[in-house]
Amino acid sequence: DTGVSQDPRHKITKRGQNVTFRCDPISEHNRLYWYRQTLGQGPEFLTYFQNEAQLEKSRLLSDRFSAERPKGSFSTLEIQRTEQGDSAMYLCASSLLGANTGELFFGEGSRLTVL
Amino acid sequence: GQQLNQSPQSMFIQEGEDVSMNCTSSSIFNTWLWYKQEPGEGPVLLIALYKAGELTSNGRLTAQFGITRKDSFLNISASIPSDVGIYFCAGLYHSMNYGGSQGNLIFGKGTKLSVKP
Repeated sequence: DTGVSQDPRHKITKRGQNVTFRCDPISEHNRLYWYRQTLGQGPEFLTYFQNEAQLEKSRLLSDRFSAERPKGSFSTLEIQRTEQGDSAMYLCASSLLGANTGELFFGEGSRLTVL
Repeated sequence: GQQLNQSPQSMFIQEGEDVSMNCTSSSIFNTWLWYKQEPGEGPVLLIALYKAGELTSNGRLTAQFGITRKDSFLNISASIPSDVGIYFCAGLYHSMNYGGSQGNLIFGKGTKLSVKP
C-alpha cells in the first residue's frame, strides 16, 4: 500500500501519560500535515512540515503538543501529560510541493482516548 | 478566525435522488475543496476549485466556486448507497511565506449523507 500510513490506529491512555503517533507519508510527498478531528467536527489544522522544516506550528493546541520530522520522511506527533480533552482523531496528510495546495492525501487517523 | 458554515448538517434521501449541499464563509478563499469521509477513514478529496465562478464535475458530482469567493456548493446526482458518508467543504487562503505559497485548510463541520436503498 502506497498511501499515508498512521500508527497506532487506536490508543487508550490514562490522563497524565504521554503518547506518540507516527505518520509515514506517501514516499514522494515532501509536505506533511497534522490535523485533529473531534466528534461532529471537521479536521482542525495543527502543524505542517516541508521536508524536515516545520513551517507552521502556531496552531498546535498547547505546549504539550509537539511534532517532528527529523529526516524529512516520517513524522511523529507527541502529546505530553494527556488530558481528557485531548481525546480525538489525529489525522496525518501529505502532499507534493508545487501541487495545488489543499489537495491533501489523508491517512486513516490515530484515535486517542484519554481516560 | 475564519469559519465555514456548511448545510445541511445531515440528509436522509432515497437512492436515485439528487443531493445538494453548500458552504458559506464570512471570509474569501482562493481555493474551495470538497472531501468525503467514511467511518474509520480519513477524508478523501472529491473536487478542487481554483477560480471564482468555476464549475467542475467528477462523475455524478458537480461543484461550483461562488463568484463572491465566499461560498461553494456540491451536487450529487442519482445517489447510490455508496455515497453514504460525511461530506466536508474546505477553504484555503494562500499566503506567501517562506519563499513559497502556503495555506492551511479550513474545514466545515460536514454534511452527513444517508441513502436508503
